[in-house]
Amino acid sequence: EIVLTQSPGILSLSPGERATLSCRASQSISYHYLAWYQLRPGQAPRLLLSGASSRATGIPDRFSGSGSGTDFTLTISRLEPEDSAVYYCQQFDSPPFTFGPGTTVDVK
Amino acid sequence: QVHLQESGPGLVKPSETLSLTCTVSGGSINSHYWTWIRQPSGKGLEWIGYIHSDGSTIYNPSLKSRVTISQDTSKNQFSLKLTSVTAADTAVYNCARYRPAMPAFDLWGRGTRVTVSS
Repeated sequence: EIVLTQSPGILSLSPGERATLSCRASQSISYHYLAWYQLRPGQAPRLLLSGASSRATGIPDRFSGSGSGTDFTLTISRLEPEDSAVYYCQQFDSPPFTFGPGTTVDVK
Repeated sequence: QVHLQESGPGLVKPSETLSLTCTVSGGSINSHYWTWIRQPSGKGLEWIGYIHSDGSTIYNPSLKSRVTISQDTSKNQFSLKLTSVTAADTAVYNCARYRPAMPAFDLWGRGTRVTVSS
């Protein structure tokens, strides 16, 4: 089973700043098989990126992704209060399709 | 616009079977993959398994002995059954659509909370 580790656990930033979230895999995976999600309380989880860097429909270009092998990054530029959420990475390289433990982003 | 809605009992007794349904509206379940995910309180997300509209399934090995995912194409629904539940199965359960090309769970329901307690 591929284990994903995310850091930091919590990120507290101000509006307009940049957030950099890390996702590390226990073994190398193709960038094609890495996705990022946003979870806000009371809302359906939202797909942000697939293929490590391809934004889902309707996702603003403030959200960008990069990485390959074992190290992947989600960057949120120009943070807005509505970006406060928990962000998860997920791998599809091999079942079970595991998630990272999440990074909480608090914007205020 | 495709919408997913989970439904089912919010309380299940230990050792009994948890049963949830996901109703898909605004689109057909045919020719797609559908999946279940759960999140225990204070913990991360756990993938449970998926079903393709042809009926084939893949389950998380950690739950495989207790899980069945099925579908009812006439109702545009798919379902989750988890047997012999314990308190450890208390969680928010989400249904979602699995897109295997550029893999991702691209549409999610809001989730439903299930508590296992006597």
